[in-house]
Amino acid sequence: EAGVAQSPRYKIIEKRQSVAFWCNPISGHATLYWYQQILGQGPKLLIQFQNNGVVDDSQLPKDRFSAERLKGVDSTLKIQPAKLEDSAVYLCASSQGTGENIQYFGAGTRLSVL
Amino acid sequence: LAKTTQPISMDSYEGQEVNITCSHNNIATNDYITWYQQFPSQGPRFIIQGYKTKVTNEVASLFIPADRKSSTLSLPRVSLSDTAVYYCLVYPFGNTGKLIFGQGTTLQVKP
Repeated sequence: EAGVAQSPRYKIIEKRQSVAFWCNPISGHATLYWYQQILGQGPKLLIQFQNNGVVDDSQLPKDRFSAERLKGVDSTLKIQPAKLEDSAVYLCASSQGTGENIQYFGAGTRLSVL
Repeated sequence: LAKTTQPISMDSYEGQEVNITCSHNNIATNDYITWYQQFPSQGPRFIIQGYKTKVTNEVASLFIPADRKSSTLSLPRVSLSDTAVYYCLVYPFGNTGKLIFGQGTTLQVKP
């Protein structure tokens, strides 16, 4: 089966600019997660969707980050305006929401803010 | 979710068996032990999960003692392609919430 697709793979922007990332989860997976991974650290959850509803966005910097999951399938994560400290890899993951509920991750988008 | 402690880094040579130990003293009765693997420029990948004793799959083995306060991920006969970061996580079976990743163990396999 196809994995989690993310685009773009790389993005370089200047501070105060805007950027958006796209994620297409595994077909049929109800739960979608966005994680931020700073170099040398483990991934940290930004936001979790169950279908098209937000389950957990407690660690999302809401003054600059936003996310949506249209029709409970694809999702976009936006940063506006970007700061230098937003330089990181943004990972999207999805899971079935039942059984073992393994999270499957995409390859991520590496963001560099200059 | 239970806190885990694992070595920051390990070195090995091709063909050797590698054992990575994880401590989880505060593991709860309904918690499972799960390991993820992350290659450079990729997202983490689930490799194995267990509750007690031993679990083996095509990638690794997971050894869990009776008190469940620690676990050991065993990689048989590693190759250069096993160079990756390995994360130990502890959470209830079927957890639908976030995964809490620590720094993981960076395994460097040398020729």
